[in-house]
Amino acid sequence: EPEVTQTPSHQVTQMGQEVILRCVPISNHLYFYWYRQILGQKVEFLVSFYNNEISEKSEIFDDQFSVERPDGSNFTLKIRSTKLEDSAMYFCASSSDRGETQYFGPGTRLLVL
Amino acid sequence: QKEVEQNSGPLSVPEGAIASLNCTYSDRVSQSFFWYRQYSGKSPELIMSIYSNGDKEDGRFTAQLNKASQYVSLLIRDSQPSDSATYLCAVSPGGYNKLIFGAGTRLAVHP
Repeated sequence: EPEVTQTPSHQVTQMGQEVILRCVPISNHLYFYWYRQILGQKVEFLVSFYNNEISEKSEIFDDQFSVERPDGSNFTLKIRSTKLEDSAMYFCASSSDRGETQYFGPGTRLLVL
Repeated sequence: QKEVEQNSGPLSVPEGAIASLNCTYSDRVSQSFFWYRQYSGKSPELIMSIYSNGDKEDGRFTAQLNKASQYVSLLIRDSQPSDSATYLCAVSPGGYNKLIFGAGTRLAVHP
């Protein structure tokens, strides 16, 4: 069964460093998303991406964040200068169409020290 | 601010019982509704999607949607200890292509 994959599973970084989180969405899906979940809190939407551009983003997704689809399979989230409060689980998701089921990857646990 | 509200629980039910999980949402024009299950430290896993008023059944799970009351629920019949997890209600608000999640209800099924 097709699934969303994410790498790395864990990332530890120093405050102020750049991190890139990688995702491979389900192959025939056209819509891609990033969510985050701070420990003990709800899952929060960050950004959605369609047709090689951002379609929606939340207030969390400020200038420190960027997304890219560098090739036909990968979808990345870059955090330019990490802060302590960026420590969270980051989930990538994909869907075949707008409003359809979003399938989540296993997540990347990011710890900023 | 579009919100999705769930009782945080824990909801404790004996094995074999029916577990009833509830969710309300604030955006009246929401169109897509989802229940996800999340085990500790894992990602959300889809249980059910529902788009129209009424009931939708899939195995031991039944989702119920009432758009007039802005209410969606999930029933789990014949609950098993393996159903013990946090159940997340997610809503796609009208005009947006994103999910807004509730905080989740923690379900504990005891033998």
